[in-house]
Amino acid sequence: KAGVTQTPRYLIKTRGQQVTLSCSPISGHRSVSWYQQTPGQGLQFLFEYFSETQRNKGNFPGRFSGRQFSNSRSEMNVSTLELGDSALYLCASSSVTGPVGAFFGQGTRLTVV
Amino acid sequence: DAKTTQPTSMDCAEGRAANLPCNHSTISGNEYVYWYRQIHSQGPQYIIHGLKNNETNEMASLIITEDRKSSTLILPHATLRDTAVYYCIVRGDNNAGNMLTFGGGTRLMVKP
Repeated sequence: KAGVTQTPRYLIKTRGQQVTLSCSPISGHRSVSWYQQTPGQGLQFLFEYFSETQRNKGNFPGRFSGRQFSNSRSEMNVSTLELGDSALYLCASSSVTGPVGAFFGQGTRLTVV
Repeated sequence: DAKTTQPTSMDCAEGRAANLPCNHSTISGNEYVYWYRQIHSQGPQYIIHGLKNNETNEMASLIITEDRKSSTLILPHATLRDTAVYYCIVRGDNNAGNMLTFGGGTRLMVKP
């Protein structure tokens, strides 16, 4: 079974720009979550999508948004980029039947200059 | 979700068992204990989870105390590739969602 695929792996953007990151979950997984990892704040939950609906949301500003498509693929968007948005962005997919672990992709390393 | 407490770092000799403790004294009856690890610059990797019984899989064993207030992840024969940050997470079943709250984790260094 293919794992979670995130694209692109690396990205450099300028302050003020916007960026869209993509995540393809494991086949059959309908829940997709996004996390931000920085050296100072560690791993922080951004939001979760299930059946194209946002089910949970972390404590991030409205510049961070996401969506999920009918095939469970998900995208997250960050608008008006700030230097502090430089981070590793991780996507995790989960089955929704029973208590199960989440499976993470390799992440997208975003650098804002 | 219940809060967890883990040591910041631990060392282990290669080939020996690595025992990583986690305290979760406020765990409630329907909350599970999950373990993940993150090798440098990679995405976290799911290891194992349990409710109250001890669990074992090809990667590790999970020992949960009878009162469920603490647990230990055991890597039976640690290798250099097990050097990573290990996260203990407590959360309910996934009916309410799959949000994971990561703490600082334990940085395990396996030494030759």
